[in-house]
Amino acid sequence: GAVVSQHPSWVICKSGTSVKIECRSLDFQATTMFWYRQFPKQSLMLMATSNEGSKATYEQGVEKDKFLINHASLTLSTLTVTSAHPEDSSFYICSARDGGGARDTQYFGPGTRLTVL
Amino acid sequence: AQTVTQSQPEMSVQEAETVTLSCTYDTSESNYYLFWYKQPPSRQMILVIRQEAYKQQNATENRFSVNFQKAAKSFSLKISDSQLGDTAMYFCAFMKDTGNQFYFGTGTSLTVIP
Repeated sequence: GAVVSQHPSWVICKSGTSVKIECRSLDFQATTMFWYRQFPKQSLMLMATSNEGSKATYEQGVEKDKFLINHASLTLSTLTVTSAHPEDSSFYICSARDGGGARDTQYFGPGTRLTVL
Repeated sequence: AQTVTQSQPEMSVQEAETVTLSCTYDTSESNYYLFWYKQPPSRQMILVIRQEAYKQQNATENRFSVNFQKAAKSFSLKISDSQLGDTAMYFCAFMKDTGNQFYFGTGTSLTVIP
């Protein structure tokens, strides 16, 4: 199946710093990528939809100036958590839509655990 | 708006037995996709099975099969011959045909007991 990677897999940072998370589709082109946030023992919450070459679409309640998303190429999207605070600590998961062929589905990255001290 | 409901927060099953996880959804769309994803302790989301709403035939993938009842808006997952590696959180998900939005259920934590 299609492979999506995320880097880093975990990161610890000090409050006030910015953290960048990369999401790559390794064997397919993804015109659309998605960023989710997951709290312990809860479901995935969609944060934003990232389309290659255009601005991301954010879900209601998600601060676009705090969670900067860039989808610069068909295989790479980045999420930057700016001026991170302890409440931003969470598990962040990206997914990439493989719309090619007859199987339109999303493949998920392994996730990034962010801890803000 | 679309909603996905998983009414079983936790379930357990004996190894080698069969278990069924339930999922219902609400939508006004006529065509869409339904999925079951598995999230083991590693937290990697793994696609288990996929169903196109326009197909009447239930999807199957080895030990995994679904019972798709479009009129009832029900999409249950049956796991046969349960294995210890099936222990995970299972999420039901809905995707509109014309859009990219995924809607997830709240998940069912499945434990396979040796």
